[in-house]
Amino acid sequence: DQQVKQNSPSLSVQEGRISILNCDYTNSMFDYFLWYKKYPAEGPTFLISISSIKDKNEDGRFTVFLNKSAKHLSLHIVPSQPGDSAVYFCAARGYYNYGQNFVFGPGTRLSVLP
Amino acid sequence: EPEVTQTPSHQVTQMGQEVILRCVPISNHLYFYWYRQILGQKVEFLVSFYNNEISEKSEIFDDQFSVERPDGSNFTLKIRSTKLEDSAMYFCASSPITGGDQMAFFGQGTRLTVV
Repeated sequence: DQQVKQNSPSLSVQEGRISILNCDYTNSMFDYFLWYKKYPAEGPTFLISISSIKDKNEDGRFTVFLNKSAKHLSLHIVPSQPGDSAVYFCAARGYYNYGQNFVFGPGTRLSVLP
Repeated sequence: EPEVTQTPSHQVTQMGQEVILRCVPISNHLYFYWYRQILGQKVEFLVSFYNNEISEKSEIFDDQFSVERPDGSNFTLKIRSTKLEDSAMYFCASSPITGGDQMAFFGQGTRLTVV
């Protein structure tokens, strides 16, 4: 039972263009979402988050959009850079579930081509 | 910048042996987690720990697993009798208690290989 889905296992984008990574979730109790980036042989690194009271959160080149009715979120990277090449995980949890676990999606491997 | 540190980076053990994976969370954090990632699969939650007790655990975290915070800085994961399928990257994470906006900070992981 996959509560958090990332249906694209991989994505290739040209440097300077936009990267769009998608994530869908099934559990309506989730209302806090995070994106993590992971390089080989390293732990996941927090990138950006969004809570359900917002539909957009921006941090530099990274923007996350949340569509609660569709249970869908997306991460936009503009412009994409070769250093952005990594695996991106979407993660979710209940907003007030202190100490409760994050549920991770399977990840999308982004390759930014020079 | 504060970080979560894990030791060792790579552990090879024989099936049936006990292993202890060690983590030093960020010093002012109060929630601690273990996750694992089997090669090619997604990051899976194992256990969360707060106030010196387990607050949540997954079905993966069976009687073979235990966690401890033996002192004020370390957070350990023990696997009593390792199985081949325990081979994975094990990630420790910690988070502060700052309302609902809690991101977890992850360590670099310990690669456990059971042979």
